[in-house]
Amino acid sequence: DQQVKQNSPSLSVQEGRISILNCDYTNSMFDYFLWYKKYPAEGPTFLISISSIKDKNEDGRFTVFLNKSAKHLSLHIVPSQPGDSAVYFCAASDRNANAGKSTFGDGTTLTVKP
Amino acid sequence: DTAVSQTPKYLVTQMGNDKSIKCEQNLGHDTMYWYKQDSKKFLKIMFSYNNKELIINETVPNRFSPKSPDKAHLNLHINSLELGDSAVYFCASSRQGSVSNEQFFGPGTRLTVL
Repeated sequence: DQQVKQNSPSLSVQEGRISILNCDYTNSMFDYFLWYKKYPAEGPTFLISISSIKDKNEDGRFTVFLNKSAKHLSLHIVPSQPGDSAVYFCAASDRNANAGKSTFGDGTTLTVKP
Repeated sequence: DTAVSQTPKYLVTQMGNDKSIKCEQNLGHDTMYWYKQDSKKFLKIMFSYNNKELIINETVPNRFSPKSPDKAHLNLHINSLELGDSAVYFCASSRQGSVSNEQFFGPGTRLTVL
């Protein structure tokens, strides 16, 4: 039972364009969502998060949108840069249960072409 | 100065052996985790410790035993290694009470069982 899903294993975009990475979840008790970025041979690093009481959070070139009714979130990167090429993981947590455990999706590999 | 460190980075061993992976964090965090990333790139939580106490124990074979000598260290000992244990293991930490439960990951240990 995979509660967090990233249905696109890979995405390729041109430098300067927008990258949109998608994530769906099934557990309506999730109340916090995070995106992590992972380069090869490194651990994931935190990128941006959003609380379930919001529908948008922006940090520089990165914006996360949350649609609770659809149980869907997306990460927008604009403009995309070659250095953004990495694996992006979506994660969700229910802070009132499971000791704040985060459930991860299986990642989307983003390639930004110069 | 590395925030979350793991040793060794690579571990190649024979089936049936016992091995340990060490993890240390210098962030002053209260909570530490072990994740397994298998060949499908899926990040799955194995254990979580808070102030040296086990708080999350997913369905993991009891050949895997975490040990937390203090809140800055969470080591993973694996007995009777099997081929299916081959994976990348990530240690992570987070600050108790953090709103987003943002986790800081180590660089990973690639375990290969022959």
